[in-house]
Amino acid sequence: DAGVIQSPRHEVTEMGQEVTLRCKPISGHDYLFWYRQTMMRGLELLIYFNNNVPIDDSGMPEDRFSAKMPNASFSTLKIQPSEPRDSAVYFCASSLSPGSQPQHFGDGTRLSIL
Amino acid sequence: TQLLEQSPQFLSIQEGENLTVYCNSSSVFSSLQWYRQEPGEGPVLLVTVVTGGEVKKLKRLTFQFGDARKDSSLHITAAQPGDTGLYLCASINQAGTALIFGKGTTLSVSS
Repeated sequence: DAGVIQSPRHEVTEMGQEVTLRCKPISGHDYLFWYRQTMMRGLELLIYFNNNVPIDDSGMPEDRFSAKMPNASFSTLKIQPSEPRDSAVYFCASSLSPGSQPQHFGDGTRLSIL
Repeated sequence: TQLLEQSPQFLSIQEGENLTVYCNSSSVFSSLQWYRQEPGEGPVLLVTVVTGGEVKKLKRLTFQFGDARKDSSLHITAAQPGDTGLYLCASINQAGTALIFGKGTTLSVSS
């Protein structure tokens, strides 16, 4: 079975540009999560969706960040305008439930803002 | 806010050595998950522990959940280079809605 698919795997862009990260969750998973991973802060939850509806976006750092899930098989995380401090690895994960069920992670997008 | 403290932050050992890494919190865990993350990949679930005092084994890996459910350990016997990676513990938040992750232990096993 296909796992969580993220694209692109790597993104390098200049400060001020719009960045869009994409995620396809595992079919049948009702929960989708976006995380950011840095050496300093570890793995941080940004936002999560249940049945395509955003439930908790308290981890989104600023208004420059936005996320959408237009259908059960696709989600985007957008940064506009991007800043160098946004450089990190961004992960998408999906699960059947947020608790006891495991979260299945994609391989991440390594984002570098110059 | 529940915080998960992992130690040590970094560990570098030789093949064949044993090691233990720890995950602690000031709050009681309802359950705890251990993940391993290899370079360039996302974390992968190794085990979930639920009951205080529980011990689970996964080949050379032994996971223990503290009696008070506020701490957990991962012991690796006879480490191999393939064990190299970032080991993360995670617990469900108090609202029961999402996982909180520790910052992890980076393990390097050299041959």
